[in-house]
Amino acid sequence: DTAVSQTPKYLVTQMGNDKSIKCEQNLGHDTMYWYKQDSKKFLKIMFSYNNKELIINETVPNRFSPKSPDKAHLNLHINSLELGDSAVYFCASSKGLAGQETQYFGPGTRLLVL
Amino acid sequence: GEDVEQSLFLSVREGDSSVINCTYTDSSSTYLYWYKQEPGAGLQLLTYIFSNMDMKQDQRLTVLLNKKDKHLSLRIADTQTGDSAIYFCAESPSGNTPLVFGKGTRLSVIA
Repeated sequence: DTAVSQTPKYLVTQMGNDKSIKCEQNLGHDTMYWYKQDSKKFLKIMFSYNNKELIINETVPNRFSPKSPDKAHLNLHINSLELGDSAVYFCASSKGLAGQETQYFGPGTRLLVL
Repeated sequence: GEDVEQSLFLSVREGDSSVINCTYTDSSSTYLYWYKQEPGAGLQLLTYIFSNMDMKQDQRLTVLLNKKDKHLSLRIADTQTGDSAIYFCAESPSGNTPLVFGKGTRLSVIA
């Protein structure tokens, strides 16, 4: 019954590695998002996809690349991980475009880069 | 478990005050947040309150926290049409844990 799921829930890795976080929603939504929760627990938008097309791309290092194989999935790939990438990453989805419909959040993925 | 509840809809007339309410379950939450979702953008932080405060005011925004009842509210004075958006309440459980979000309250401002 999970609406928005993320895997893995925890990710501990070494600096310089490449890793991916996966997100899936079973709500039939058209729009998906990636947010980063910083150390003060402030949430910042990173990317948004609508019908597999990128619509929001905030100032994020090129090492972060979202991939949407279909409407139900939005994965986040991170190359050459750095210590500062340690954070909680949230995936979310909404029926329509941002601001028109409420967002449903995944449980978050805690990334720790050593 | 952790849970954040909000009413889903609120409609007010322009110039009136809006009050958006939220209840949360984790009494150890250190911070509570209000986020605003505007068309075409992701969530943006509006304001937040530390759990040892009862009230925080920031221009037209007033946040009230009743820790005993685990109740948080956001009051917007002199509500404008530009305030029409979806407002999310979020709690910060203790430790290095993800925020927990409510489902959002859609505020509609009638001119």
